[in-house]
Amino acid sequence: QITLKESGPTLVKPTQTLTLTCTFSGFSLSTSGVGVGWIRQPPGKALEWLALIYWDDDKRYSPSLKSRLTITKDTSKNQVVLTMTNMDPVDTATYYCAHVGYGCADYWGQGTLVTVSS
Amino acid sequence: EIVLTQSPGTLSLSPGERATLSCRASQSVSSSYLAWYQQKPGQAPRLLIYGASSRATGIPDRFSGSGSGTDFTLTISRLEPEDFAVYYCQQGLFTFGPGTKVDIK
Repeated sequence: QITLKESGPTLVKPTQTLTLTCTFSGFSLSTSGVGVGWIRQPPGKALEWLALIYWDDDKRYSPSLKSRLTITKDTSKNQVVLTMTNMDPVDTATYYCAHVGYGCADYWGQGTLVTVSS
Repeated sequence: EIVLTQSPGTLSLSPGERATLSCRASQSVSSSYLAWYQQKPGQAPRLLIYGASSRATGIPDRFSGSGSGTDFTLTISRLEPEDFAVYYCQQGLFTFGPGTKVDIK
């Protein structure tokens, strides 16, 4: 059974760096073809992909946010970490991590709401 | 950059009716990487369809996907009460559509 869970701060101040951790079980990020991605959703708005990391450490980023994002993995801990710099109120959103297979997100975490406010 | 357009924005139907949702890409895309998701309020999205037409694990067969090139369709053959939700298409790894809300008429 594949499960994922996001953790991190619920409130960050403008200009701060956000660090989110995705802790997963039921699969290994050392298995060929497997990836873990981050997707966010501002309140009442659509989904937006942020970043993705594959089993071979290949990393992909949203072109519009690439300069602010870093994604890393710790295979031994079954964790993927996303950092986003220079947070702004428009970055207020629910942040999801997801298992990626067949080019899509087939298992999702419950999401974590991050509010950016001073 | 590929842009996905979904129509209609809102679809008002009654239980038992057929729902047809459209996803159009700004340029031809690979069917292998076209997916559909369902999202209910307060919940994470759920994968329904991948590879344009393959149902994900546990998805009822009233959900079907079709299309190629720039035009893709998600069809719900007979709406059940639990199907009223927002539906997103996705192409490749970094492009979601804006969503179609299916609500109760």
